[in-house]
Amino acid sequence: DGGITQSPKYLFRKEGQNVTLSCEQNLNHDAMYWYRQDPGQGLRLIYYSQIVNDFQKGDIAEGYSVSREKKESFPLTVTSAQKNPTAFYLCASSQGAGRRSGNTIYFGEGSWLTVV
Amino acid sequence: AQKITQTQPGMFVQEKEAVTLDCTYDTSDPSYGLFWYKQPSSGEMIFLIYQGSYDQQNATEGRYSLNFQKARKSANLVISASQLGDSAMYFCAMREGQHNQGGKLIFGQGTELSVKP
Repeated sequence: DGGITQSPKYLFRKEGQNVTLSCEQNLNHDAMYWYRQDPGQGLRLIYYSQIVNDFQKGDIAEGYSVSREKKESFPLTVTSAQKNPTAFYLCASSQGAGRRSGNTIYFGEGSWLTVV
Repeated sequence: AQKITQTQPGMFVQEKEAVTLDCTYDTSDPSYGLFWYKQPSSGEMIFLIYQGSYDQQNATEGRYSLNFQKARKSANLVISASQLGDSAMYFCAMREGQHNQGGKLIFGQGTELSVKP
C-alpha cells in the first residue's frame, strides 16, 4: 500500500540523548515535512524539504536536525539541545512545494516521544 | 500575528444533524490554499477537503463542504448528517503561495467536535 510510514510509534528518551525518528514514503512525493504537536495544540513546522539534498528550517528548528539523502526518506533527529522534546511528531509529504497551492499534504501516523 | 484562527475550542452536535466549524485566516498573498484535517484520538491527520483561493465554487467532498467567503477571509467546514465517528479534533490549515515559503502548511489551534447519540 502507498503511504507514509513513521517509526517507532512510541519512543522514550533519556536526558542528554539524541534520538532519530524515521519517516519513509512510497508516494514518489518531492516534498517532505516534520511537524511537532503538543497536547491540545495545533501543529508547528520543524523542518521541510522540497527536494533531495535540500531542506529548510521551519518555525521551531532549534534542537532538531534532518537529512534528505533519498527522495523517500526524511529522518528527524531530536538532539540533546532540544530542552522540551516530549511531544507528538508528524511526518508529511506532498507532490511538490512552491507556488502551486493545490498539492495536498498527507501525513503519517505519528510518533510519540517521551523524555524519561 | 495569528494566521489561522479557530475560535471554537469545542463543539457538540447531535447525531444526524449538521455542524459548522469556523476558520478565519490572514494572508496578503493572492495565491493560497485552505485545508481541513481530521485528527481522531489515534493521532493520525486525515485530509478532508481543499479550497484554492482562485476556485470559483465552494469545495465539497461527500458529507464535507467548505463555506469559502474570500472577502471575509473565512473558510468554514460544514459536516452534514453527523456520525458518531466524526468525533475528533478538526484543524484548519493554510498554505501560502509565496515561493520562498516552500508550500508549508500553517495550522490553527483546532476544534474538538463531539457527536452525541
